[in-house]
Amino acid sequence: SSELAQDPAVSVALGQTVRITCQGDSLRTYYASWYQQKPGQAPVLVIYAKNKRPSGIPDRFSGSGSGNTASLTITGAQAEDEADFYCNSRDSSGAVLFGGGTKLAVL
Amino acid sequence: EVQLVESGGGLVQPGGSLRLSCSASGFTFSSYTMHWVRQAPGKGLEYVSTINNNGDSTYYADSVKGRFTISRDNSKNTLHLQMTSLRAEDTAVHYCVKDRRYGDSSWEFDQWGQGTLVTVSS
Repeated sequence: SSELAQDPAVSVALGQTVRITCQGDSLRTYYASWYQQKPGQAPVLVIYAKNKRPSGIPDRFSGSGSGNTASLTITGAQAEDEADFYCNSRDSSGAVLFGGGTKLAVL
Repeated sequence: EVQLVESGGGLVQPGGSLRLSCSASGFTFSSYTMHWVRQAPGKGLEYVSTINNNGDSTYYADSVKGRFTISRDNSKNTLHLQMTSLRAEDTAVHYCVKDRRYGDSSWEFDQWGQGTLVTVSS
């Protein structure tokens, strides 16, 4: 079955830029969405359709993608950005996929 | 403001059943596809099921197909998940989730409830 692969953990210095990636064959066909989840809270949609931001999401969050890789970039990371991030897409059979998640530490 | 409030979770023995409900407000419920997504303790997100806005199309993850049934009552702005033949691996927080797109499905999970915990254990 299709999968979406994410690095388990990434760190970034306060105020610096970090890129979180998601890899999978389905991303050649379907856009990725990205979700931020802070401890004890429900996930929040931060990017959809590869690079669109829902209202209320800071513009330091951006999305991109090429080939089998989707990326979430945080430009000027803040302490409050520390969270788990999940990518999501579909595959050709219609199955809904989530990546395993990336734990972001802001140092 | 969109609000999604899940209920019905709890402790159930393996092989048992449970019915989850999600009360929706703050948007035109009957115009949106709705989803269930779950998260086992300390683990990642797992897709469970989807129902389109008028309830005539449903989708399930392979892991729950044949055991879970998603339904909705648009007159009461309520989403349900009937869970049967429960297994230990079904233990998770189950989230009610609104689709992003008005009308048809975008398969993007726009608004999430706070979740209800289902624990399957003897």
